[in-house]
Amino acid sequence: QVQLVESGGGVVQPGRSLRLSCAASGFTFSNYAMHWVRQAPGKGLEWVALISYDGSNKYYADSVKGRFTISRDNSRTPLYLQMNSLRAEDTAVYYCARATQPYMTTPPGGYWGQGTLVTVSS
Amino acid sequence: QSALTQPASVSGSPGQSITISCTGTSSDVGGYKYVSWYQQHPGKAPKLMIYDVSNRPSGVSDRFSGSKSDNTASLTISGLQAEDEADYYCSSYTSSSTLYVFGTGTKVTVL
Repeated sequence: QVQLVESGGGVVQPGRSLRLSCAASGFTFSNYAMHWVRQAPGKGLEWVALISYDGSNKYYADSVKGRFTISRDNSRTPLYLQMNSLRAEDTAVYYCARATQPYMTTPPGGYWGQGTLVTVSS
Repeated sequence: QSALTQPASVSGSPGQSITISCTGTSSDVGGYKYVSWYQQHPGKAPKLMIYDVSNRPSGVSDRFSGSKSDNTASLTISGLQAEDEADYYCSSYTSSSTLYVFGTGTKVTVL
């Protein structure tokens, strides 16, 4: 069955960096675009980034543009989110999610990870 | 890109129908078919309930239905049940460089 497992969260000081990973299994990872979505404590969902199935196109929310980088390794299965210059407002649970349709930059679909908590605090 | 506008809360009695609205612009909700709805219970990951405005993934109850008119999408829950109590979020593709945007979220309470 399809499974997405995030890792790499933790407590980090403002201005530092952190890299999140998302391990995928149960489907052909290289056929699907992938999303990162985050949720600050007690707040709503915020779309963060998307990478196309082949890694050739990347899109970011304005709030993270220039600081976060989404990437993927289709030779294995990890999806990554490199987060630099972290701010207190980046504190959130970060979810990876598979797009609804293969080969297209479609919305987050029926498969999400359980999330990993990132806390930015001094 | 601003978040899509949803009512903060909607409530109904068991068996009733409720509708949650999601208002955007012609650059997002009104312009594209990629409108989705997600259900989220506390401490859990979101669950896709509706995609492409009105399509239900397999396994989602047919009590959930979606529609769109101009710049507003709607999620209707018929025959409200206790298990439907959760937060609901809409999402849309947007022509801005950010590509996707979520709604502000609606807390559904079953009275």
